[in-house]
Amino acid sequence: GENVEQHPSTLSVQEGDSAVIKCTYSDSASNYFPWYKQELGKRPQLIIDIRSNVGEKKDQRIAVTLNKTAKHFSLHITETQPEDSAVYFCAASMQGSSNTGKLIFGQGTTLQVKP
Amino acid sequence: DGGITQSPKYLFRKEGQNVTLSCEQNLNHDAMYWYRQDPGQGLRLIYYSQIVNDFQKGDIAEGYSVSREKKESFPLTVTSAQKNPTAFYLCASKEGGVNEQFFGPGTRLTVL
Repeated sequence: GENVEQHPSTLSVQEGDSAVIKCTYSDSASNYFPWYKQELGKRPQLIIDIRSNVGEKKDQRIAVTLNKTAKHFSLHITETQPEDSAVYFCAASMQGSSNTGKLIFGQGTTLQVKP
Repeated sequence: DGGITQSPKYLFRKEGQNVTLSCEQNLNHDAMYWYRQDPGQGLRLIYYSQIVNDFQKGDIAEGYSVSREKKESFPLTVTSAQKNPTAFYLCASKEGGVNEQFFGPGTRLTVL
């Protein structure tokens, strides 16, 4: 089955710096890659996602890149702010009419942005 | 944040007891999912249901059971067979043909 590895497990940056979190997946049939942000004790919330027919997607300070050949995708946060501090999860899934839409999650990255 | 709710927020259980966690959604979503979250780990899939009266095991189904008698409800029972049930449980739902899963606020279960 699908396996998703996420690195690093913890990341500390200075406010204003960039942060990069990387994930690799095992199943080449995966075609949907969301990133979730989870604040302490709260529910995960989708911050950005990408489908396999796209190599990069950007939304303000957040971007995701996908390398299908290498089977890895990354989250890039620029101009980090203290409110970006949270746990970030990547996930992989096969989406389509005949698929279940199950998400396989990485282990999570705790991002700390120091003011 | 509305649309998918879980109750209770906190739940305490004695060893040997079964407990049921509630998950309700008013989003008219067909698919619903249960995940378990442990410290330092990602979310792991327990059970999922793509349609009423049908559900499948996820990666860690042992010691859990579910039902899907109504579209809007997907309760999870943690049985006494689950060896280490203390965790944060998250329910999610998804509309057919759409990628995004929406999560509920979670239930934190502690076994005393």
